[in-house]
Amino acid sequence: QVQLVQSGAEVKKPGASVKVSCKVSGYTLTELSMHWVRQAPGKGLEWMGGFDPEDGETIYAQKFQGRVTMTEDTSTDTAYMELSSLRSEDTAVYYCATWVGWFDPWGQGTLVTVSS
Amino acid sequence: EIVLTQSPGTLSLSPGERATLSCRASQSVSSSYLAWYQQKPGQAPRLLIYGASSRATGIPDRFSGSGSGTDFTLTISRLEPEDFAVYYCQQYGSSQFTFGPGTKVDIK
Repeated sequence: QVQLVQSGAEVKKPGASVKVSCKVSGYTLTELSMHWVRQAPGKGLEWMGGFDPEDGETIYAQKFQGRVTMTEDTSTDTAYMELSSLRSEDTAVYYCATWVGWFDPWGQGTLVTVSS
Repeated sequence: EIVLTQSPGTLSLSPGERATLSCRASQSVSSSYLAWYQQKPGQAPRLLIYGASSRATGIPDRFSGSGSGTDFTLTISRLEPEDFAVYYCQQYGSSQFTFGPGTKVDIK
């Protein structure tokens, strides 16, 4: 059974970068297709990107192209999502989730607050 | 990009009542890649239905999904107190993933 545990909450200033981690247990990261979804306060779910097993590449939502980087450390089974040039609108809970034709399971979420 | 529209935005019902939630796509969606999630305040989303109509592990049989093409439905046959939450549909196609805006089911 896959379990995902994310890093703790972050507070960042506008223009900074944030790197959120997602530790996998129960499986190895190489067996999974990891994705990231965010949720602004009081808003819906927004897919950011993830590993596309059909192409063998990481794909990003157009909205985040050039500003987000998703990486993996297979030695520690940890996935990372780094978002740069932060602005107040990036304040959100960021979730990792594994894609198996649907998103399941999900990490517990990491709150990133962008404030001056 | 395929846009998903959910209706109604809010559904006010009493425990024991039947809930019918709609998810409509801007173009045809593969049923294999249509899923429903439940989210409660302060919690991560939880998978309910995958492949449009298959219940995820541990999901009670009062939850059912149906539909194809551009119209999909999530039905909760008899609402239990723990079912009051927000429900999202989600689709995958052409290397793009989209979520609907959600339907909130609250207590009348």
